[in-house]
Amino acid sequence: GESVGLHLPTLSVQEGDNSIINCAYSNSASDYFIWYKQESGKGPQFIIDIRSNMDKRQGQRVTVLLNKTVKHLSLQIAATQPGDSAVYFCAENLGSNTGKLIFGQGTTLQVKP
Amino acid sequence: EPEVTQTPSHQVTQMGQEVILRCVPISNHLYFYWYRQILGQKVEFLVSFYNNEISEKSEIFDDQFSVERPDGSNFTLKIRSTKLEDSAMYFCASRADPDEQFFGPGTRLTVL
Repeated sequence: GESVGLHLPTLSVQEGDNSIINCAYSNSASDYFIWYKQESGKGPQFIIDIRSNMDKRQGQRVTVLLNKTVKHLSLQIAATQPGDSAVYFCAENLGSNTGKLIFGQGTTLQVKP
Repeated sequence: EPEVTQTPSHQVTQMGQEVILRCVPISNHLYFYWYRQILGQKVEFLVSFYNNEISEKSEIFDDQFSVERPDGSNFTLKIRSTKLEDSAMYFCASRADPDEQFFGPGTRLTVL
């Protein structure tokens, strides 16, 4: 069935440390994955995406890893900053040409100064 | 940088009343979406819209919901007779490229 889930509801890290947020998905037909950041009272903000024909993609301070064998997605944030504190959602497109996204439950990242 | 805008930011209504939530997608985008997020829960897909018609809708999007693009810039979500369980944040999104969706800041709907 359609489900995208996150392993941990809350992640607390020290400022300057690296953060890893994980996500499991269940649909093998998914061909596109996105990480969104949501700050309190705001809409989801695009961070980084990856297609199913890739294993890794890097952005500025962020890296997304995709393991299709175990249907696992992770977001790595280097040198975490207080401004990174937010809820992080993974989302998947099940190959629908409408672009419909299925979101996971979300992980709250707390950065301690 | 272009962005999706939504109005109002907060809408309070009585149960059974009709509400219209408004969105201005990013100019030149062709695909439009509505999602909702009940407090503390994940974002849920409601409907996608392309070429002036609904391209996909979820089970949530029943006969009480409708969408419209009345002119070249606005994209609206109407709930005909609101229920308590319709209370949520409603997000509009749009995209031009095949993949990346840009989300608006949301409208918080409170049904009393």
